Amino acid sequence: GDSVTQMEGPVTLSEEAFLTINCTYTATGYPSLFWYVQYPGEGLQLLLKATKADDKGSNKGFEATYRKETTSFHLEKGSVQVSDSAVYFCALSANSGGSNYKLTFGKGTLLTVNP
Amino acid sequence: NAGVTQTPKFQVLKTGQSMTLQCAQDMNHNSMYWYRQDPGMGLRLIYYSASEGTTDKGEVPNGYNVSRLNKREFSLRLESAAPSQTSVYFCASRIEGTANTGELFFGEGSRLTVL
Repeated sequence: GDSVTQMEGPVTLSEEAFLTINCTYTATGYPSLFWYVQYPGEGLQLLLKATKADDKGSNKGFEATYRKETTSFHLEKGSVQVSDSAVYFCALSANSGGSNYKLTFGKGTLLTVNP
Repeated sequence: NAGVTQTPKFQVLKTGQSMTLQCAQDMNHNSMYWYRQDPGMGLRLIYYSASEGTTDKGEVPNGYNVSRLNKREFSLRLESAAPSQTSVYFCASRIEGTANTGELFFGEGSRLTVL
């Protein structure tokens, strides 16, 4: 079945440091890939997405490129801020028949950014 | 625009008690979902509803029932709560049509503690 494996945390960085959170996936077919972010006490919000190979999703300074050859979708940011402290989830969505989609999540990576 | 609204946000139950978590979305989405989030486990799908009048089991359905009351509302019921059901519960809905890439829109979560 489909699965998502992401870097285990927690990850602690200083402000303005470079961030990478690794994500690899296993899926049949051609899934769409997502990064969701969960700020403390809140629900998950879509951060960025990519729907086909070599697509780059970007938002709020974060980027991730859909790499089919390495089945990866690593999240990067050049300079993190304290406000980026959150839990980050990698996810894939595959069509399970008709208009039905199944979304599979990684276990989440807690990022803490210190001033 | 409220998006996905869950109630209650917090609840404490005693073992054996019953309760219903309510979820409503105002985005005219057909598909709705219930997930639970536990430390180190990521998000796990409990039940989903692809359209009004239909429901299907997800990864961890035991101990739960659901009702898709109408297109807007999807409730989750615990008939006899157990400590293992202590968790944060998230309701979500999915966009449809040509914009459908499988991404979900989440509520803010309901934190349930079973003593």
